[in-house]
Amino acid sequence: DSGVTQTPKHLITATGQRVTLRCSPRSGDLSVYWYQQSLDQGLQFLIQYYNGEERAKGNILERFSAQQFPDLHSELNLSSLELGDSALYFCASSSQLQGASAEAFFGQGTRLTVV
Amino acid sequence: AQKITQTQPGMFVQEKEAVTLDCTYDTSDPSYGLFWYKQPSSGEMIFLIYQGSYDQQNATEGRYSLNFQKARKSANLVISASQLGDSAMYFCAMREGYSSASKIIFGSGTRLSIRP
Repeated sequence: DSGVTQTPKHLITATGQRVTLRCSPRSGDLSVYWYQQSLDQGLQFLIQYYNGEERAKGNILERFSAQQFPDLHSELNLSSLELGDSALYFCASSSQLQGASAEAFFGQGTRLTVV
Repeated sequence: AQKITQTQPGMFVQEKEAVTLDCTYDTSDPSYGLFWYKQPSSGEMIFLIYQGSYDQQNATEGRYSLNFQKARKSANLVISASQLGDSAMYFCAMREGYSSASKIIFGSGTRLSIRP
């Protein structure tokens, strides 16, 4: 158990809909990352938050947005869903205490299927 | 620009042999860290090993070692005495800078299959 919790584990929804993916980082971790992994692909970096502030942005679509709340949990909102958004969405967190060597701990992922 | 390249989409190796998974990176930041992760078919991401840009020694963790060649900007993962349980996707990743408050980007991965 990595200590990072993602809900839900599976989500099936129709095109055009909006969904919210939730992530609870490891206790005390300030950094939260979101990644998208399409079938048999690598992990595409979407966005990173650090202590409530957006820290870095990857190739995140305008239809996607995220936020980190004061209790450090994070949500990724996906709207106007398309078939191509079907993927495994990972959340990860890392500690601020180890500097650059802090590895990212990953949740189990949310498998999103858009039909 | 920060970039990670893994040029081997897939590899087959005989059980008990050693295997090297290639990773090259590009960054203009003199301070950075390199990570390797394993993703079994069950889907979870498992951290394997870390190498810092200023580390003098190559990192080792059990059967995993990192062949770090800074001048060539390569950070290959070596798995000694491979086991059937090593069959998985392997990802190389990089974080720039001194702080953990920097993004980590991943390569496209290598699918390793171990033959009995």
